[in-house]
Amino acid sequence: EVQLVESGGGLVQPGRSLKLSCAASGFTFSNYYMAWVRQAPKKGLEWVATISTSGSRTYYPDSVKGRFTISRDNAKSSLYLQMNSLKSEDTATYYCARDPRYFDYWGQGVMVTVSS
Amino acid sequence: VQMTQSPSYLAASPGESVSISCKASKSISNNLAWYQEKPGKANKLLIHSGSTLQSGTPSRFSGSGSGTDFTLTIRSLESEDFAVYYCQQYNEYPYTFGAGTKLELK
Repeated sequence: EVQLVESGGGLVQPGRSLKLSCAASGFTFSNYYMAWVRQAPKKGLEWVATISTSGSRTYYPDSVKGRFTISRDNAKSSLYLQMNSLKSEDTATYYCARDPRYFDYWGQGVMVTVSS
Repeated sequence: VQMTQSPSYLAASPGESVSISCKASKSISNNLAWYQEKPGKANKLLIHSGSTLQSGTPSRFSGSGSGTDFTLTIRSLESEDFAVYYCQQYNEYPYTFGAGTKLELK
């Protein structure tokens, strides 16, 4: 059974940093692109980042490019999202997802609140 | 690519059939997925490639369309189908989602 479990969320001040983690199991992690998707309170879904199987290629929307960094450790079947220079508009639930172009498995999400 | 989903809200009764529209601002071929969101549950992929049912998706769900116009149809609604539905294009980066359709019990 595919499982994706996010961790590392919490309350952080504007301008500060936070790193999210996602532990994957139930599939061969190194064979799949992986992604982060977020959902602001009462809003829709927004794709945040995607990383290739080896980690050599990464993709971001303009809203987070230069501030967020996606990475992975295939030996640990883990995905990460380093978020720097956080803004109030980054407040959202962040989901880890398996990404064979669409998102076929999702985690339950972790909440990030950016507020002073 | 902007994704315009309609309606935003839809009220229906069990047994009825409903359709949700998703329009892309430019052609995305058939690179479109549909998702279901329910409180307390992980988001679920229902359909990819415009019309291919993901394993485990009930056959009362169907997807159609290509290019810019797509439709998700649910026949004979069951109580478990009342949820929020999103479309998403993956033809090019940045991946983009529709704003969602909340399907409510009438």
